[in-house]
Amino acid sequence: AQKVTQAQTEISVVEKEDVTLDCVYETRDTTYYLFWYKQPPSGELVFLIRRNSFDEQNEISGRYSWNFQKSTSSFNFTITASQVVDSAVYFCALSEPNNNAGNMLTFGGGTRLMVKP
Amino acid sequence: DAGVTQSPTHLIKTRGQQVTLRCSPKSGHDTVSWYQQALGQGPQFIFQYYEEEERQRGNFPDRFSGHQFPNYSSELNVNALLLGDSALYLCASSLPALNYGYTFGSGTRLTVV
Repeated sequence: AQKVTQAQTEISVVEKEDVTLDCVYETRDTTYYLFWYKQPPSGELVFLIRRNSFDEQNEISGRYSWNFQKSTSSFNFTITASQVVDSAVYFCALSEPNNNAGNMLTFGGGTRLMVKP
Repeated sequence: DAGVTQSPTHLIKTRGQQVTLRCSPKSGHDTVSWYQQALGQGPQFIFQYYEEEERQRGNFPDRFSGHQFPNYSSELNVNALLLGDSALYLCASSLPALNYGYTFGSGTRLTVV
């Protein structure tokens, strides 16, 4: 069965600090997808990134970067020079596509990030 | 381009009652999934609909049922409500292939008293 663990339930940083959110996953499949979502107080899950299991290249998007390491089953998310607007709950998620049988997302428990001015 | 629309935004029901939540997918999407998010937890998959049929189901009792209409919109029905059903219910739409990812709505906050 698939499982996602976000060991950090809450992180508090001061603005402009760098912060890394950890994500460890378990899956028996060789083909899978990993996601990060941001959930502001409004409740909507905002898509940040999708990575497939065959692409281990790290990605950078502005102040955001992601480190995917299959050897340790980790997909960590780093925010550089954090800002107050980054305050939210962040979820890591995993999906094992099953042709014609659905592609449910399994979420971790989330990490609440608080960025203080 | 409208994203995923859910209604109502908030709802208060009494134990034992039945509730129907509604979701309109993002334009161009034909697959709808429902998730339950209890306070302080990650979303849990309830089920997914494609071509008006339930394609995949999570570990939820039969009290949870759904429907998808020809226009791809969807309903989530919960019968015999329990206090533990209080949660944020999120709808997500997508194309069948996972490569295209999911778009989530803002959810319906259900409180059972």
